[in-house]
Amino acid sequence: GDSVTQMEGPVTLSEEAFLTINCTYTATGYPSLFWYVQYPGEGLQLLLKATKADDKGSNKGFEATYRKETTSFHLEKGSVQVSDSAVYFCALSESNTGKLIFGQGTTLQVKP
Amino acid sequence: EPEVTQTPSHQVTQMGQEVILRCVPISNHLYFYWYRQILGQKVEFLVSFYNNEISEKSEIFDDQFSVERPDGSNFTLKIRSTKLEDSAMYFCASSSQQGPGLGAGELFFGEGSRLTVL
Repeated sequence: GDSVTQMEGPVTLSEEAFLTINCTYTATGYPSLFWYVQYPGEGLQLLLKATKADDKGSNKGFEATYRKETTSFHLEKGSVQVSDSAVYFCALSESNTGKLIFGQGTTLQVKP
Repeated sequence: EPEVTQTPSHQVTQMGQEVILRCVPISNHLYFYWYRQILGQKVEFLVSFYNNEISEKSEIFDDQFSVERPDGSNFTLKIRSTKLEDSAMYFCASSSQQGPGLGAGELFFGEGSRLTVL
C-alpha cells in the first residue's frame, strides 16, 4: 500500500542554518503531496502542497519540489528561525475523500 | 480566524468504558474527518464523513467506532468499549470542499484529544 517515510528526528539547528527534511513516498498512482506542521500545543496546519510532478510548493520561506523520478518531496528552508521549531509531517493523498497518509513526523529544534 | 475545536483535551478512562470525543468543525465546512496518532507512531486516517454518511473508513475503524453529527455543529467519535490500544491522540479535521487531493480543499485540524485507557 501507499506509504511515506521521513528522516528520523530530532533535527537540531542553529538559527539561520539551512534546513532539509527528507521525505520519500510509495504510491500506486499519482498522489498529491503535502507538508504539515504542528507547533507546540496546536493542531496540524498545512504548510505547503504540490499536486503533480515537478510542482514546487512554497510558503513562509519553506519549499518542496515534487520529484516523481526519485519519489521524493524534501522540505527545505534557507535560513531557519527559532519560531520554526515544530514537528513537520510529510503526507500524500491519492483520493478526494480526505484520506491523508502521513510520515512519522520530524521534530525540528532551532536554537538561538 | 476560524478554527476546529476539540473536547476534551485529555480523557482518562478504564478499559471497556465508552468514550465520546467531540469536535466543532469550522462552521461552513461540509467534510469531516477523524485521525489518530498512537504515541511514537504515524498519524493514521480513521474516517471521513459527508452529508451524514461515512465516505471512507480505514481498517482501524471497526465496529467499536462510530461517528455522528448530532446537531449540525458537533461531530463526534464514539468508542463503544475502549481497549488499551485505543490510547492515542485523536485529531478532528474539516474542509469546505472534498479534499485533499488534486484541486481539492485544505483540511483544517483541531489540537487533538488525548485518550488514555487504563
